[in-house]
Amino acid sequence: QVQLQESGPGLVKPSQTLSLTCTVSGGSISSGGYYWSWIRQHPGKGLEWIGYIYYSGSTYYNPSLKSRVTISVDTSKNQFSLKLSSVTAADTAVYYCARAERPPGGDWFDPWGQGTLVTVSS
Amino acid sequence: QSVLTQPPSASGTPGQRVTISCSGSSSNIGSNTVNWYQQLPGTAPKLLIYSNNQRPSGVPDRFSGSKSGTSASLAISGLQSEDEADYYCAAWDDSLNGPLFGGGTKLTVL
Repeated sequence: QVQLQESGPGLVKPSQTLSLTCTVSGGSISSGGYYWSWIRQHPGKGLEWIGYIYYSGSTYYNPSLKSRVTISVDTSKNQFSLKLSSVTAADTAVYYCARAERPPGGDWFDPWGQGTLVTVSS
Repeated sequence: QSVLTQPPSASGTPGQRVTISCSGSSSNIGSNTVNWYQQLPGTAPKLLIYSNNQRPSGVPDRFSGSKSGTSASLAISGLQSEDEADYYCAAWDDSLNGPLFGGGTKLTVL
């Protein structure tokens, strides 16, 4: 079955860019039909959708983060990536990658990666 | 940004039936489907219910979902100790033009 694994630095300095990669195994991003997503969870808090990308490169971002977010895909490596610029302590969170299905009227995320904690601190 | 409202906590004893509510608005639950996720302590969320009342393969039929108007509910029957987790509702929001999550409900099995 499809599995996702996040990777990237666990510590980022304020004002710098957070960069994470999600590696997909057990299935191909380029086969289509799914959207590849980033979601974060602030410590002890709820979940926040960051955005997703289709294999073609079409992207969809949360308006509250749109000015700072870039999601890209590398189908040759079966990976997709997140870049979040100008980070502050408020961006400290566990970042999850997930696969999304988006039929008319809604979407859902399944499966999820295990998550990676990113701390923004000098 | 719109909000899906869940009670912060819920509890029950083994074997009991518990329900968790999720209240939204016409721009999310009122016009789109609802999904539920279970997050066991220290783990990633897992899809529990999708499209209001559908269970993914492997999810016990003790878990059920329903939706009425701008509200939705997750019911867990025959409560077990391993059901102790955080539960999140989610729905597409037409104003956000993206998915919105509830604040989560921490379920304690007494």
